[in-house]
Amino acid sequence: EPEVTQTPSHQVTQMGQEVILRCVPISNHLYFYWYRQILGQKVEFLVSFYNNEISEKSEIFDDQFSVERPDGSNFTLKIRSTKLEDSAMYFCASGPPAGGGNEQFFGPGTRLTVL
Amino acid sequence: QKEVEQNSGPLSVPEGAIASLNCTYSDRVSQSFFWYRQYSGKSPELIMSIYSNGDKEDGRFTAQLNKASQYVSLLIRDSQPSDSATYLCAVSRRGSTLGRLYFGRGTQLTVWP
Repeated sequence: EPEVTQTPSHQVTQMGQEVILRCVPISNHLYFYWYRQILGQKVEFLVSFYNNEISEKSEIFDDQFSVERPDGSNFTLKIRSTKLEDSAMYFCASGPPAGGGNEQFFGPGTRLTVL
Repeated sequence: QKEVEQNSGPLSVPEGAIASLNCTYSDRVSQSFFWYRQYSGKSPELIMSIYSNGDKEDGRFTAQLNKASQYVSLLIRDSQPSDSATYLCAVSRRGSTLGRLYFGRGTQLTVWP
């Protein structure tokens, strides 16, 4: 069964550095999402992406963040000038399945640790 | 403003019992409802989706939706220790695709043998 994949599984960076988190959505999905989950807190929406452009973004997704689909398979989240409070699990999701409803399927996540 | 609320638990049930998980949402225009299971340190795993009022059954899981009461629930029959996880309720405002998901904080379920 196809799955969303994410790399790396764990990223450690110094405050102020830039990181790029990578995702490969399920191949026949057209909508892509990034969410994050700070330890012990709820899953929060960051951004959705469709047809090579952002369709919706949350108040969290400010100028520090950007997304890109550099080729036909990858979907990336770039975080510039990382802060301590950016430490979280970052989940990529894609959907919906062909002929399906509005389901979103999550990748395994990237744990970002900012020191 | 809290979009989605869940009883935080923890909920503890014996193996073989029925576990009942509840969720309320504040936005009346919400149209799509999901239950995800999240094991500790892992990502959310979709287990049920429901879009219309009433019940939807899938194996040991039954989702119930009442839009008038803005309430959605998940019943797990014949609970197993492997069901021990945090269950996340998620809501989308859109009936169409693209809609962002609003998550509750989750209910931690423990099934003891």
